[in-house]
Amino acid sequence: AQSVTQLGSHVSVSEGALVLLRCNYSSSVPPYLFWYVQYPNQGLQLLLKYTSAATLVKGINGFEAEFKKSETSFHLTKPSAHMSDAAEYFCAVTSNTGGFKTIFGAGTRLFVKA
Amino acid sequence: DAGVIQSPRHEVTEMGQEVTLRCKPISGHDYLFWYRQTMMRGLELLIYFNNNVPIDDSGMPEDRFSAKMPNASFSTLKIQPSEPRDSAVYFCASSLGIQETQYFGPGTRLLVL
Repeated sequence: AQSVTQLGSHVSVSEGALVLLRCNYSSSVPPYLFWYVQYPNQGLQLLLKYTSAATLVKGINGFEAEFKKSETSFHLTKPSAHMSDAAEYFCAVTSNTGGFKTIFGAGTRLFVKA
Repeated sequence: DAGVIQSPRHEVTEMGQEVTLRCKPISGHDYLFWYRQTMMRGLELLIYFNNNVPIDDSGMPEDRFSAKMPNASFSTLKIQPSEPRDSAVYFCASSLGIQETQYFGPGTRLLVL
């Protein structure tokens, strides 16, 4: 069975500091991995996705994530946080384990301090 | 394209009443998903359709919940009878393929009193 674990339900950084949101997954087959962002009172929107091409994936708003198979990780980073990055971030995995299914992590809420 | 459209955006009802949530997916998308989001349980997949056919409804909580997709441009999620524990934000999403990006609607915020 596949699963997604996001370490830390809340992360707080100062404006201009590095953002690191952690995601670990388990899947018995090669997965598709996604990061979505949710702003207050809105639906989720895609930040970036990994689909077995380059292991370093660049997304919107300066975010990127690196797929590390040996660590089963797909951590999200941004070199310099901006106030507008404050939101909830979800890691998701899609894989074919007897039928395709997408599992979302519990989410990490990012706070950015001025 | 206008994106995924959901209605109503907010719904307040009393316990025991029937609630119907509506979704219009992005044109051309073959997959449609219904999710429920709560503070306690996070984002849960309830059911998804491929070409209007329900594929996996293992996330539907109980028989009080039902979902239909009569055509490629419309889906409903019905709760009958509703209970206070059904209070949540319900999202509809659509995608071109099961491994593809899911595009979410703005959600319906349901409060059952």
